[in-house]
Amino acid sequence: QKEVEQNSGPLSVPEGAIASLNCTYSDRGSQSFFWYRQYSGKSPELIMFIYSNGDKEDGRFTAQLNKASQYVSLLIRDSQPSDSATYLCAVSRYSTLTFGKGTMLLVSP
Amino acid sequence: GAVVSQHPSWVICKSGTSVKIECRSLDFQATTMFWYRQFPKQSLMLMATSNEGSKATYEQGVEKDKFLINHASLTLSTLTVTSAHPEDSSFYICSATTSGRELPYNEQFFGPGTRLTVL
Repeated sequence: QKEVEQNSGPLSVPEGAIASLNCTYSDRGSQSFFWYRQYSGKSPELIMFIYSNGDKEDGRFTAQLNKASQYVSLLIRDSQPSDSATYLCAVSRYSTLTFGKGTMLLVSP
Repeated sequence: GAVVSQHPSWVICKSGTSVKIECRSLDFQATTMFWYRQFPKQSLMLMATSNEGSKATYEQGVEKDKFLINHASLTLSTLTVTSAHPEDSSFYICSATTSGRELPYNEQFFGPGTRLTVL
């Protein structure tokens, strides 16, 4: 059974702080790793994807992957109230995605 | 680009009726479409994968006779919930992908979702 684990939260951070979101996965054959943001009642939107070990930065977002530890994280710098949402970690092997339950992030003004 | 639409965005129906949800790729040809279901505070659970012109592949535990999927063209897939019951009330989301991209993974483009409420 492929599993993707996330802390459900909520993770509360003040505006301007760094939010750190974590995810572990069970399938060692996973090839691609994704972070999605989902606002309440909406479908997920892709923030970042990462394939290789290490860090990948895109604007305020940094994804980190450690395949040996089966661990993926997302850092959000200078968090804004508009970043308040549920963040879904997803992993892929071949063409299908397996999602975690998501971590709710609350950024207070 | 890569826009996926779903119709309807929400639907309320009586128990025992059937409901059809459409998923369309508006500006690209979707070789593969995926159907997910999401219950409140739960993750997206893949229900089935459909490729144009062939039968859908259902995930374990998903009743293929209850959730009928048709992927008749490269831009349209439909999910029909037959004899819906209150426990089928959920948020149904489709996604679409295309082949021939350079990425190791063919990115899935998500539709806006359909909220189904069965009374």
